[in-house]
Amino acid sequence: AQSVTQLDSHVSVSEGTPVLLRCNYSSSYSPSLFWYVQHPNKGLQLLLKYTSAATLVKGINGFEAEFKKSETSFHLTKPSAHMSDAAEYFCVVSGVTGGGNKLTFGTGTQLKVEL
Amino acid sequence: DGGITQSPKYLFRKEGQNVTLSCEQNLNHDAMYWYRQDPGQGLRLIYYSQIVNDFQKGDIAEGYSVSREKKESFPLTVTSAQKNPTAFYLCATRDRGGTEAFFGQGTRLTVV
Repeated sequence: AQSVTQLDSHVSVSEGTPVLLRCNYSSSYSPSLFWYVQHPNKGLQLLLKYTSAATLVKGINGFEAEFKKSETSFHLTKPSAHMSDAAEYFCVVSGVTGGGNKLTFGTGTQLKVEL
Repeated sequence: DGGITQSPKYLFRKEGQNVTLSCEQNLNHDAMYWYRQDPGQGLRLIYYSQIVNDFQKGDIAEGYSVSREKKESFPLTVTSAQKNPTAFYLCATRDRGGTEAFFGQGTRLTVV
């Protein structure tokens, strides 16, 4: 079985300060991991993905994430928050299960960016 | 213009009615998925299809039905058996290589 835990349901930062959104995963095999962003009443947009290549993954809009197998973590970071980063972020794990290649979503982290 | 089209964007249903949500894709992806999103619960898988004329139940299939008669289309019917259908519904696709999913813009269903 696979699972994802997003450790914070809400994160609030000031504009220009660093962002850290935490994600831990559980998987019986080498998973693929993703971060998606969702703005209100919109679909999900892929920010970045890890698929067993480099452990430090760079994504769009200045975001990056580091895969740490020993800690089973895939935290999302950005050096300097912008007002447009305010959204909900989902950590996702993908792997082969008895039912096929499935995606398992975390419960989301709402990022608030204040002036 | 490639992508996934969900319609309608907003849908209102009376108690006891069936409604069908549309999902069309021109990405030529084999796999299609329906997810339900409720506040604080992330996305939960309703049904998925990996090939035409075949589909499987996800984690919360009760009260829903689907069909996959064409590769491009994967409509979801919310039946009167679904006791709490008010939610945001998202359709997604993945290609045969199966890494990331691509999402439509969603349909917000409200029971009135």
